[in-house]
Amino acid sequence: EGQLLESGGGLVQPGGSLRLSCAASRFTFNNYAMTWVRQTPGKGLEWVSSITNNGDRRTYADSVKGRFTISRDNSKNTLHLQMNSLRAEDTAVYYCAKDRIPEYGGIWTFDSWGHGTLVTVSS
Amino acid sequence: EIVLTQSPATLSLSPGERATLSCRASQSINIYLAWYQQKPGLAPRLLIYDAYNRATGIPARFSGSASGTDFTLTISSLEPEDFAVYYCQQRNSWPLTFGGGTMVEL
Repeated sequence: EGQLLESGGGLVQPGGSLRLSCAASRFTFNNYAMTWVRQTPGKGLEWVSSITNNGDRRTYADSVKGRFTISRDNSKNTLHLQMNSLRAEDTAVYYCAKDRIPEYGGIWTFDSWGHGTLVTVSS
Repeated sequence: EIVLTQSPATLSLSPGERATLSCRASQSINIYLAWYQQKPGLAPRLLIYDAYNRATGIPARFSGSASGTDFTLTISSLEPEDFAVYYCQQRNSWPLTFGGGTMVEL
């Protein structure tokens, strides 16, 4: 299993932007699809966005489509989530997660998760 | 969107007892269901994938089963470290969805 470390969370005003990063290690990053999942404090898990291993396919939850952009830099073993036009309901802990096996197209079952980074959207 | 309904919301048990957790899908998801365990302040941990398969390093007391759109996670004999929240997740179709969780409490 790999190691994932998120960064970039913080307090932002409604309408603002943040860029989350997820540094990957201990696995061959460019072989694995990756995903962002968020969790509202005290609540359940919500899938946000996923990207295939080479970045050619990206999928988004309706709640973030048009506002968030997932990307990856395979040369730097890093996953990103650019979040624009943030809303109060985007407040959550954001986790990056790694697919269980290296498969083109992704299998969307997650065997490694980061510790999460907290995003708070408030004025 | 496929809705996953977990029941019960809370399960109150003692160490050594058997835990049976349910996850019902709103439509067919084949066997493309995973179970995760989450403890307070920690990230989820994969337990079961594709309904039946234990993930690497998961003890044999955890097992998964399926019947149509009904999925079950069974913990045969609860250990103290098993008290946590459990989530199911489907990968059959977009958007990926999670159930609302079942808390297994002491």
